[in-house]
Amino acid sequence: AQSVTQPDIHITVSEGASLELRCNYSYGATPYLFWYVQSPGQGLQLLLKYFSGDTLVQGIKGFEAEFKRSQSSFNLRKPSVHWSDAAEYFCAVAPGGKLIFGQGTELSVKP
Amino acid sequence: ETGVTQSPTHLIKTRGQQVTLRCSSQSGHNTVSWYQQALGQGPQFIFQYYREEENGRGNFPPRFSGLQFPNYSSELNVNALELDDSALYLCASSSPLGTSGGGQDTQYFGPGTRLTVL
Repeated sequence: AQSVTQPDIHITVSEGASLELRCNYSYGATPYLFWYVQSPGQGLQLLLKYFSGDTLVQGIKGFEAEFKRSQSSFNLRKPSVHWSDAAEYFCAVAPGGKLIFGQGTELSVKP
Repeated sequence: ETGVTQSPTHLIKTRGQQVTLRCSSQSGHNTVSWYQQALGQGPQFIFQYYREEENGRGNFPPRFSGLQFPNYSSELNVNALELDDSALYLCASSSPLGTSGGGQDTQYFGPGTRLTVL
């Protein structure tokens, strides 16, 4: 069955430090992969997506993610975190048009 | 370009009642998907509508039903509400690649409707 695992429930980083959020997926074919961000009480905003081609994808707000088929991973990175990045981050895979989400990683940013 | 909108923002119902949530898709999008997000969880796929027909359903009982209208807006109806139905309900619209539907393209989400069942 298709699934997404985000191993880290909560991460705290200092402002200006680098960030990596982990995502592992289980899917039989070439996946469509997404990262979304959700601020408290809000809907989901798309950060970036991977469909095919270059395995390093750039997104909004300075985020990037790298697709590694051999590791079934799609980790999200940012070189320098800003306080406004504090939010919940969801990785998702899209088999057959529906999105399957991970449990999410809550990011806290300390001054 | 207008994004995905949902109404109402918040709703409080009692167990056993029925509720209707509404969603207007983003301009140019003909596919609408609904998700349920319980507190502290990732969103769970309820169903998807493409050209007014249900086009895929998640593991939700029949008391969760939907409609899509000719203007591609959509409703989610939940009958016989249970306490566990309390959640944020998210609507997402997309424009499918090709002609077979399925919403393989990117899904854009609305702000959600917070439903509380007492």
